[in-house]
Amino acid sequence: SQQGEEDPQALSIQEGENATMNCSYKTSINNLQWYRQNSGRGLVHLILIRSNEREKHSGRLRVTLDTSKKSSSLLITASRAADTASYFCATAPGGYQKVTFGTGTKLQVIP
Amino acid sequence: EAQVTQNPRYLITVTGKKLTVTCSQNMNHEYMSWYRQDPGLGLRQIYYSMNVEVTDKGDVPEGYKVSRKEKRNFPLILESPSPNQTSLYFCASSSGQVTYQETQYFGPGTRLLVL
Repeated sequence: SQQGEEDPQALSIQEGENATMNCSYKTSINNLQWYRQNSGRGLVHLILIRSNEREKHSGRLRVTLDTSKKSSSLLITASRAADTASYFCATAPGGYQKVTFGTGTKLQVIP
Repeated sequence: EAQVTQNPRYLITVTGKKLTVTCSQNMNHEYMSWYRQDPGLGLRQIYYSMNVEVTDKGDVPEGYKVSRKEKRNFPLILESPSPNQTSLYFCASSSGQVTYQETQYFGPGTRLLVL
């Protein structure tokens, strides 16, 4: 089964609004990463948050991590049409090199 | 330009005909990995390699083989492809242990159809 599960599966918002997507995972982790994928293309790394961090910012992105709930959220503020993509969280359980991706959230930003 | 390349980008084949998808990175990365992406299932890791001659299974290794004879190359081999291996495949690399603070760089993907 998938280590990471994102919700919602799909999200449609107007340009300028904020988009929030969530990721839950099952086992302990060293870090959690968020990636973006544009329509069948390769994934692009967005941000990494370590297990001892609670919040991290990068430009219009804000990521939170709650290890007690085994969950993370990605907030994109002031969304743009170019943010339309699928977003995935990825985790690597502590001590192992396997990586597990979630099923993704498909975001559509309407101009 | 730092990149991960995959070839071919598109491939149609028939059941049982052996094929190899090549992956190469020019960043001197130690860690390389193969994933498949299927609708509704996200990306699933097939195999990964922590360095030359060091490989290990991911979550869905059945039906696949890999080798890591050189640091830059990590080919994915399907000895006897079956229709359930029809998928979008991605190769990725990172500079160190991915369990820590290393991000992965992805190739453009190989779309495989097995008839």
